[in-house]
Amino acid sequence: DSGVTQTPKHLITATGQRVTLRCSPRSGDLSVYWYQQSLDQGLQFLIQYYNGEERAKGNILERFSAQQFPDLHSELNLSSLELGDSALYFCASSGDRYEQYFGPGTRLTVT
Amino acid sequence: QKEVEQDPGPLSVPEGAIVSLNCTYSNSAFQYFMWYRQYSRKGPELLMYTYSSGNKEDGRFTAQVDKSSKYISLFIRDSQPSDSATYLCAMNPSGAGSYQLTFGKGTKLSVIP
Repeated sequence: DSGVTQTPKHLITATGQRVTLRCSPRSGDLSVYWYQQSLDQGLQFLIQYYNGEERAKGNILERFSAQQFPDLHSELNLSSLELGDSALYFCASSGDRYEQYFGPGTRLTVT
Repeated sequence: QKEVEQDPGPLSVPEGAIVSLNCTYSNSAFQYFMWYRQYSRKGPELLMYTYSSGNKEDGRFTAQVDKSSKYISLFIRDSQPSDSATYLCAMNPSGAGSYQLTFGKGTKLSVIP
């Protein structure tokens, strides 16, 4: 168990809808990262937050947004969902070192 | 050319074999190198973490980094059926704030009893 928690485990929704994925980092970790894993693209970095502020952005679509709250949990919001957004979404956290610890993921299915 | 290349396999070995997993990369700014193990439908689990060139050993696992060749390896000695998983290499550059990981696509390993 990495200490990173994610909810929900599985989400099934229709095209055009909006969903929110939630992540709680390991105790004491200030950084939260979001990654998307699909069969064809592998694990792709989406966005990083550090102590409530956006720190880095990767290949995140404009339809996606995230935030980190004062208690350090983070939410990833996905809107106007398309079939191609079906994937595993992982949250990871890190402290003041480079190692990142991943949560169990949320499996998103868009129908 | 992708930043990180990794042979997807699948790789099938008998129990007890030595396994060699490899990645090549093109971005010379990468300084931190990691190996993750991912079981089916689970989150990636950090196995090894090395900085710059050199070797690092942890139990049955050895990670090697050759920055001059832009090549990293993970060796698994005395492989066990429980090692059957997908192995992902990951790396990031040094510098404040540059913590995002770039992953290889993973190599699927099966260790046959």
